Amino acid sequence: ETGVTQTPRHLVMGMTNKKSLKCEQHLGHNAMYWYKQSAKKPLELMFVYSLEERVENNSVPSRFSPECPNSSHLFLHLHTLQPEDSALYLCASSQGTAPGNTIYFGEGSWLTVV
Amino acid sequence: AQTVTQSQPEMSVQEAETVTLSCTYDTSESDYYLFWYKQPPSRQMILVIRQEAYKQQNATENRFSVNFQKAAKSFSLKISDSQLGDAAMYFCAYRSRETSGSRLTFGEGTQLTVNP
Repeated sequence: ETGVTQTPRHLVMGMTNKKSLKCEQHLGHNAMYWYKQSAKKPLELMFVYSLEERVENNSVPSRFSPECPNSSHLFLHLHTLQPEDSALYLCASSQGTAPGNTIYFGEGSWLTVV
Repeated sequence: AQTVTQSQPEMSVQEAETVTLSCTYDTSESDYYLFWYKQPPSRQMILVIRQEAYKQQNATENRFSVNFQKAAKSFSLKISDSQLGDAAMYFCAYRSRETSGSRLTFGEGTQLTVNP
């Protein structure tokens, strides 16, 4: 079992749908992240939460809405997405956001927007 | 802004042989971390090794070692005695220690194939 668990692993949604990605970390960390991984592009940081407060929003369109109800759970709510939003979405966590702290990743949620 | 470049989209190595993956980065800072992450087919990103820029000694983790050349802004990963389980996408990443709230900046990755 990995320390960071993401569900669902695969999601296909239409452009008018509303869906959510869920992330749960079992490592006792207090910082959580959403990354987007598109084909042939470097990983892009989307959001950072520290102690359940959003500390960074990397110019992400409002059709992506994060939620962090507690330090162990992180959601990414999706609505009216575009086909170019199809990608692997990776959740991660760390103990604090200091640069030297190791970031642990989940296995990702594959999203296909049709 | 910092950038990370991996000039080898694909590499291959024979099992038990040694392979070196290249990474260069661009920064004006002097204090930072460098990382190599491995992403196997499961898609989970796994930290392989990290280097602190103020340490001259190259980091080593079992069969994995780095060649950190700070002046040249080069950070290559050497995998010795390659195993089939080493086959994965490898990402080089940079993180500043000087900027508050700094983020990991990743390269585009190198796909490593290990041939039996």
